[in-house]
Amino acid sequence: DVVMTQSPLSLPVTLGQPASISCRSSQSLVYSDGNTYLNWFQQRPGQSPRRLIYKVSNRDSGVPDRFSGSGSGTDFTLKISRVEAEDVGVYYCMQGTHWPPPKPITFGQGTRLEIK
Amino acid sequence: QVQLVQSGAEVKKPGASVKVSCKASGYTFTSYYMHWVRQAPGQGLEWMGIINPSGGSTSYAQKFQGRVTMTRDTSTSTVYMELSSLRSEDTAVYYCARDGLAAWGQGTLVTVSS
Repeated sequence: DVVMTQSPLSLPVTLGQPASISCRSSQSLVYSDGNTYLNWFQQRPGQSPRRLIYKVSNRDSGVPDRFSGSGSGTDFTLKISRVEAEDVGVYYCMQGTHWPPPKPITFGQGTRLEIK
Repeated sequence: QVQLVQSGAEVKKPGASVKVSCKASGYTFTSYYMHWVRQAPGQGLEWMGIINPSGGSTSYAQKFQGRVTMTRDTSTSTVYMELSSLRSEDTAVYYCARDGLAAWGQGTLVTVSS
């Protein structure tokens, strides 16, 4: 299985300051069609996950432009330009390149963002 | 708008089975695959498998092979996830999520306890 490793696992941030989360995969996430299927999700306390970013850098509808995704191959980053109170929660990266089974879709361990 | 509404919380004994439903609305049910993902208390997300609502074909994560069955009812736009031989480690919130995981259900808490 492709292992997704996030860092840091805990991220205290001052309101209005930037934040950055790293995600590394154990294999390249470039698919045979040329796309890279790396997504980012936000899970606020008590809520279902919400997709923020798909295929590395594409923001979903309604996602504030302070969220951005970048990266290639095995190294990816989610950046928040200015953290707001509503950004508190856990962030997950996910790869959808190496599947279907027996290879599963895999998620990172999650990064907990809190306000300092 | 896309809506995925799941069935309510369940409490099961070890060894039993549970069947969770996910009713879709706001789009053409047979046009999008449906994933199932679970989350144990305080833990991360774990992908379980996927079903094609059009033909009913399925693919399961190897970890759940032999214990999970995903089905669908096109007449009610509902997909189902049944997990058998439950053990305490299966206590989790189970989510359905439309293909691409852009839309998620509200989650169903399954508690396995004697």
